[in-house]
Amino acid sequence: DAGVTQSPTHLIKTRGQQVTLRCSPKSGHDTVSWYQQALGQGPQFIFQYYEEEERQRGNFPDRFSGHQFPNYSSELNVNALLLGDSALYLCASSSRKAPGLNTGELFFGEGSRLTVL
Amino acid sequence: AQSVTQLGSHVSVSEGALVLLRCNYSSSVPPYLFWYVQYPNQGLQLLLKYTTGATLVKGINGFEAEFKKSETSFHLTKPSAHMSDAAEYFCAVSKQGAQKLVFGQGTRLTINP
Repeated sequence: DAGVTQSPTHLIKTRGQQVTLRCSPKSGHDTVSWYQQALGQGPQFIFQYYEEEERQRGNFPDRFSGHQFPNYSSELNVNALLLGDSALYLCASSSRKAPGLNTGELFFGEGSRLTVL
Repeated sequence: AQSVTQLGSHVSVSEGALVLLRCNYSSSVPPYLFWYVQYPNQGLQLLLKYTTGATLVKGINGFEAEFKKSETSFHLTKPSAHMSDAAEYFCAVSKQGAQKLVFGQGTRLTINP
C-alpha cells in the first residue's frame, strides 16, 4: 500500500519565480492538506482540499494557491517566491468519507525541500 | 484558537534512561492530541494519539502519553531510551473532525551512549 508521495524531493528557485509541488495521497484517502516547515520550526498549516475545493486555509498570503484533482491528488503553487519561502513543504492525507477512517490522524509524505536564492 | 507549547527545544538523555518530553496545549473545545516523530530528512510519522476514552495511550516503539485535562498536558514518555530514538518530536492538537493540526515548535531528542 503506497503511502503519501510527493515530488520533487528537492528544488532550487530564485526570487520572483514560481513553483509547483505535487502530492498523491495514501490509497483510500480523499482529503489533502499542505504544511510549511521552516528550518527548526514546527509545521504550519497552509490549506486543505476536499472534493476539489479549498476547505480550510491558514495564515498564508494569496501567493500560495492549490488544486485538487478528481483522483484526489493535489498541487501547491507558490508565486513570486521570496527568500522566506525556503522550507520543507509537507503534504498530508486523511479521509473524511470512509467509515472508521476519519480519526483525525494525518499521514505525511517525506516532503519537498524548496530553497529560494 | 488552539495552540501547543513544547517545553524544551532540546532534550538529552543517556541510553537506557527515562525519556520525558513535555507538551501543554490550549483548546476551547475537547481536543484530539498527537505526537509525531521526524527523523532527519524525512516526513512525520505518528507515534500515538488521544481522541476519546482512556487517557493513557500507548504508541509505537514503546512510547506512551497521558492526557491530563486538568493540567492541559499530554507529555510523552518512554521508560528506556534507545539510540534509534534520536529524532525531532512534535506535539499537535486538533479539533474533533477538523483534520487540521496545530503543531508545537518541536523537541530535539539526543541519546548519549
